[in-house]
Amino acid sequence: DVKVTQSSRYLVKRTGEKVFLECVQDMDHENMFWYRQDPGLGLRLIYFSYDVKMKEKGDIPEGYSVSREKKERFSLILESASTNQTSMYLCASSFALAGLSYEQYFGPGTRLTVT
Amino acid sequence: GNSVTQMEGPVTLSEEAFLTINCTYTATGYPSLFWYVQYPGEGLQLLLKATKADDKGSNKGFEATYRKETTSFHLEKGSVQVSDSAVYFCALVYSGGYQKVTFGIGTKLQVIP
Repeated sequence: DVKVTQSSRYLVKRTGEKVFLECVQDMDHENMFWYRQDPGLGLRLIYFSYDVKMKEKGDIPEGYSVSREKKERFSLILESASTNQTSMYLCASSFALAGLSYEQYFGPGTRLTVT
Repeated sequence: GNSVTQMEGPVTLSEEAFLTINCTYTATGYPSLFWYVQYPGEGLQLLLKATKADDKGSNKGFEATYRKETTSFHLEKGSVQVSDSAVYFCALVYSGGYQKVTFGIGTKLQVIP
């Protein structure tokens, strides 16, 4: 079974803190993704990575950065957390063989509250 | 750009009722289409998919048919159970490239006994 794990299920941070969200997958997937999920807005892509040390901005990258030093691990960083970053954060991974569409496998999510 | 449209809900049904959740999309070319399901407190998981026009995806009693002429991928189930209560996301992705997915807003389904 593919497994995508996220470092925390719940996290409470203060405004201005630097926050790290970690994601690890065990299926040797090339692609990894970070989304945030908010009521009424669905899932919005923050960043994705298609290879080690490679990253691409998604639809809402402002206020976030990412790091992928190893193939199995993809980190989301909030440089200076703000209250409008309170959300559910979902990590996902997938294969990337050209010509085929692969499903994404999701972690359980991290509910982040910034106070 | 690509987009997926579905109603947000909530949709409330009695057990054993028939379910339809509409999904329409806008895209250039021929994307693959997916339905994902999110049970309470969990991440999303794939429910079913279809990769070309007229394909029917099915799983756990759910079905959806890829209709290119109406750009739709409606989800149906003949008899829902309380355990089907979840949020359902329609999504599209192009093969190749970076496999970026465009998700719909998600439809919350509540099934009451």
